[in-house]
Order: sequence, then structure tokens, then C-alpha cells
Amino acid sequence: NAGVTQTPKFQVLKTGQSMTLQCAQDMNHEYMSWYRQDPGMGLRLIHYSVGAGITDQGEVPNGYNVSRSTTEDFPLRLLSAAPSQTSVYFCASSYGGQNTEAFFGQGTRLTVV
Amino acid sequence: SQQGEEDPQALSIQEGENATMNCSYKTSINNLQWYRQNSGRGLVHLILIRSNEREKHSGRLRVTLDTSKKSSSLLITASRAADTASYFCATASVSNYQLIWGAGTKLIIKP
Repeated sequence: NAGVTQTPKFQVLKTGQSMTLQCAQDMNHEYMSWYRQDPGMGLRLIHYSVGAGITDQGEVPNGYNVSRSTTEDFPLRLLSAAPSQTSVYFCASSYGGQNTEAFFGQGTRLTVV
Repeated sequence: SQQGEEDPQALSIQEGENATMNCSYKTSINNLQWYRQNSGRGLVHLILIRSNEREKHSGRLRVTLDTSKKSSSLLITASRAADTASYFCATASVSNYQLIWGAGTKLIIKP
């Protein structure tokens, strides 16, 4: 049972480049989320999904897109990378949204130069 | 916006001592959750305490919740070197769909 798998673990992008961070879970969870973690701050929600075909914006959605075509996968797309998007990105899934425990991936450390 | 605020920001204690971390929040909640993050790793769920609960235990962990003071505490008893990590509280608000996270407490256990 792999849990939540994120790829890649590390990435360096040039300003203006685009890329997709992958997230997959094998627990059949309906709820999935993307967070970013910056030094000295708590996790901030970028986008979330309550099921296949349903996504919504979190606290800091600008510059990011998501889609949820299957229950298992929830990719995060950076449209045109900016240095302000340098961060560690975490994907999480849960059975019952905010009222149940969340399972996290190992994170993607992204640097935009 | 951050709902939870952990206190202290950093804590360094000797192995075997107890460690206490606090979390304060601002709005009404459905539940409050504590997570641990080892350096360079993802977050791991520790305990979820619901708004109608006052105390919860899991092994060496004890969590209390005081909704009148809008605060929670996490106590780790008989600390071990392996407890070295950052600890985060997250609150599930009654008014929105999201978990709101604090900035965390960095705990260092000295052998």
C-alpha cells in the first residue's frame, strides 16, 4: 500500500517555464488537496477536490491549475513559473475531508530561478 | 490566513523529559488535529480531537482541547530522540471546507 505518491521530489525551473507536479493515491479517498509550505509558515491550501471532476480554489490558487479526472490522480500545474512559487509542495488525501485524518505525500521541493 | 498559532516556536529538551506544545485558534471549530513532520519529509497525522471532546490519548501523546479559550495542547511524555520533529496543529472550521494550519513548533530532543 503506497499511500500518497508525489513526483518529482526535486525540481528546478526557470522563470516562465511550466510544469506539472504529479500526485497519486491508492486508498480510494475522495478528498485530495495541494498545499505549499514556506519557511516559518503553516501549510497554505492551493486547490482541493472532493471527488473526480470536482475541484475548487484554496487560499493561494493564483498561478496554479488542477484537474481531477480520476479518483486516484490529482496533478498540479504551474502555468508560468515565478520565483515566488519557490516552495515545498505537498499533496494530501483523506477519506472524509477536514473531519478525518489527512495522508501526505513526501513533498516536491521546487526552486524557480 | 493562519488560524492556529503554535507556541513555542522552538523547544529543546533533554531525552526523557516531557514536551508541551500549545495551539491557539480564532474561530469555532469542528475538530483540531496534530501532525508531526520530520525534516525533509511529509506530515504524519498524530491525533484528531473533536470539539465536544476535552482530552485524548495515544501512546505517549496527550492532547487537550479548551474550546472556551480556543486553545489546545500536545504533551509528549518521556521524550525520545526520535521525537525530534516539527509539530503542527490544524483546525477544521465550522464555516469553511478547509484545514487551517499553524506555523509549527520545532522540537529538539537532546540525547
